[in-house]
Amino acid sequence: GAVVSQHPSRVICKSGTSVKIECRSLDFQATTMFWYRQFPKQSLMLMATSNEGSKATYEQGVEKDKFLINHASLTLSTLTVTSAHPEDSSFYICSANRDPYGYTFGSGTRLTVV
Amino acid sequence: AQSVSQHNHHVILSEAASLELGCNYSYGGTVNLFWYVQYPGQHLQLLLKYFSGDPLVKGIKGFEAEFIKSKFSFNLRKPSVQWSDTAEYFCAVIIMDTGRRALTFGSGTRLQVQP
Repeated sequence: GAVVSQHPSRVICKSGTSVKIECRSLDFQATTMFWYRQFPKQSLMLMATSNEGSKATYEQGVEKDKFLINHASLTLSTLTVTSAHPEDSSFYICSANRDPYGYTFGSGTRLTVV
Repeated sequence: AQSVSQHNHHVILSEAASLELGCNYSYGGTVNLFWYVQYPGQHLQLLLKYFSGDPLVKGIKGFEAEFIKSKFSFNLRKPSVQWSDTAEYFCAVIIMDTGRRALTFGSGTRLQVQP
């Protein structure tokens, strides 16, 4: 099967600092990865589509300067939350698609900004 | 904009009861449809998917879903639930005509199965 590894699973940071979240495809190459944000008891909202070797495509309302996405290789995409604030506290999930397995999700990162 | 609606936000059932979770989408073109499950503390897992062909799709763990194009629906069913089915269930859609490949999720349904 296709496995996506996401790290860290939990992170607590101080307000104003930056946090980097990694998403790796372990046994396949992912030219496209997706980053979602999930609020408590709510659905997953797409933040951006990460494309290997090019700029990410952000959804409307998502600040690209705040949520920096880098997809430098076919197996790694990173999401950096810059100058984090308490309202950025959330559950962040990455996903990649690999035929014929379909979409595989990382285990998510719980970010708490204090 | 396309959307996915899950009308049941929280469902409580006893073991062995039958389950049906509703999912409707708002797009008239070609769609790929999915149901995902998220067990407490775990990542999303695919239950089943529909791309084309037989509208009745069977997935893992005894789940099935029926695509009814005329109703824009893709309801999830299970004849007899178990306590271990307690989880959050998400319906998701890909609109094929747009070339966009990101999943659009419904708001989710929390299923609680009581022993």
